[in-house]
Amino acid sequence: AQSVAQPEDQVNVAEGNPLTVKCTYSVSGNPYLFWYVQYPNRGLQFLLKYITGDNLVKGSYGFEAEFNKSQTSFHLKKPSALVSDSALYFCAVRGANSGYALNFGKGTSLLVTP
Amino acid sequence: GAGVSQSPSNKVTEKGKDVELRCDPISGHTALYWYRQSLGQGLEFLIYFQGNSAPDKSGLPSDRFSAERTGESVSTLTIQRTQQEDSAVYLCASSTMNTGELFFGEGSRLTVL
Repeated sequence: AQSVAQPEDQVNVAEGNPLTVKCTYSVSGNPYLFWYVQYPNRGLQFLLKYITGDNLVKGSYGFEAEFNKSQTSFHLKKPSALVSDSALYFCAVRGANSGYALNFGKGTSLLVTP
Repeated sequence: GAGVSQSPSNKVTEKGKDVELRCDPISGHTALYWYRQSLGQGLEFLIYFQGNSAPDKSGLPSDRFSAERTGESVSTLTIQRTQQEDSAVYLCASSTMNTGELFFGEGSRLTVL
């Protein structure tokens, strides 16, 4: 079975500070890892993904994530947070050989204060 | 259209009634997914369609839930004899088979009174 854990329900960051949203996963075989963002009353938007290659993945809106195989983690990061980054963030995983359905975490609410 | 389109955006129904939710995927996307988002529960996988292959129904919570898709076009999710615990936002997504990146619609919010 594949699963994702997002240990923090909420992350609070001051504008201009770096932010990290944590994600760990469990999957058989190689993982395909994704981050999505959901703004209020909107659908999910794709931010970035790791399939293979460089462990540091860069995505939309200045976000990046680092794949760490030994720690089975895929934390989302941004060097300098903006108030407009405040949203709900979801990590998702699927196994490379286990079908195409993504398993999502429960989400982490990010609040960036001015 | 340019994105995944879902209708209705909001549906209020009485317990015991049947509801149908519609999803129109991005043209050319062979894969289509239904997820359910409940408050504090994240996204729950319901069903996956890929071309003309048999759908992956492993996430459907009960036999009251069913979904159909005609070819690579529109899909409908049907919930029979709705219960209050069915209240949630139902999200549809589509993708090309290769990338794995899902494109989501804005969802259908179902409220069962």
